[in-house]
Amino acid sequence: EVQLVESGGGLVQPGRSLKLSCAASGFTFSNYYMAWVRQAPKKGLEWVATISTSGSRTYYPDSVKGRFTISRDNAKSSLYLQMNSLKSEDTATYYCARRRDYYSGLYYFDYWGQGVMVTVSS
Amino acid sequence: DIQMTQSPSVLSASVGDRVTLSCKASQNINKNLDWYQQKLGEAPKLLIYFTNNLQTGIPSRFSGSGSGTDYTLTISSLQPEDVATYYCYQYNSGNTFGAGTKLELK
Repeated sequence: EVQLVESGGGLVQPGRSLKLSCAASGFTFSNYYMAWVRQAPKKGLEWVATISTSGSRTYYPDSVKGRFTISRDNAKSSLYLQMNSLKSEDTATYYCARRRDYYSGLYYFDYWGQGVMVTVSS
Repeated sequence: DIQMTQSPSVLSASVGDRVTLSCKASQNINKNLDWYQQKLGEAPKLLIYFTNNLQTGIPSRFSGSGSGTDYTLTISSLQPEDVATYYCYQYNSGNTFGAGTKLELK
C-alpha cells in the first residue's frame, strides 16, 4: 500500500526557516517524480515544487522560487522541502504528492499524504 | 502564466441530478488537464486525468470532456458522497490549479 507521511510542520516566525519531510513507502520511490502542493486555510490548492527521480531537476513557481528548496533521499525514500525566509502568506497545509508520468509529458498526482500544517506568525 | 477559472464557485444540487462543473483556461492547454476531488478535512484525490480518462476505482458517474481552453467535469447522477470541492489542474505550461467549485446538496 502506497503511503506518504508528512512531518515537520509547526509555528514559525516570519523570516525564519522550516524543513518538511515526507516519508514514502509501498512503492519504489526512486522511480517517481515527487511534488509538494499547499493549501492556505479555506483556500484552494497551489503547486509548490516538483523534483525529478534523481533529484537533478527541480521546478518552482515564482511565489517560492529562491526561498524554497525541494530535495530527496532515494536511499531513505524521503522527500524534503526546505523553506527559508518564510512569510505569513506561506501559512498553509503542505501536501506531499507522488507524480505518475504515464506518457511523454503527461502526468497526474495519484497519491497524496495527509498534509502537515505550517503557520507563519509572530 | 496560465489562469484557470472554475465556475460556478458554489453549486447546490439534489441527489440524482446531473451536474456539470466548468474550467476555463486563459490559453490553449492541449487537454493537459486533470480533475481532483477534495472532501472536507481530506487530501485531494485524482478523479480524471488528461481531460477524459477516469482514474482506477472512480465511479463511472464521473466523466470529463473538453479541448482547447474549455473543460468540464460531469457527474451523471449526484450522490451524497460526492459533496466536495472539485479542482481542475493544468500542466501544459507551468502548473496551475483552478480556485475550485464547492458542490453542496440542496
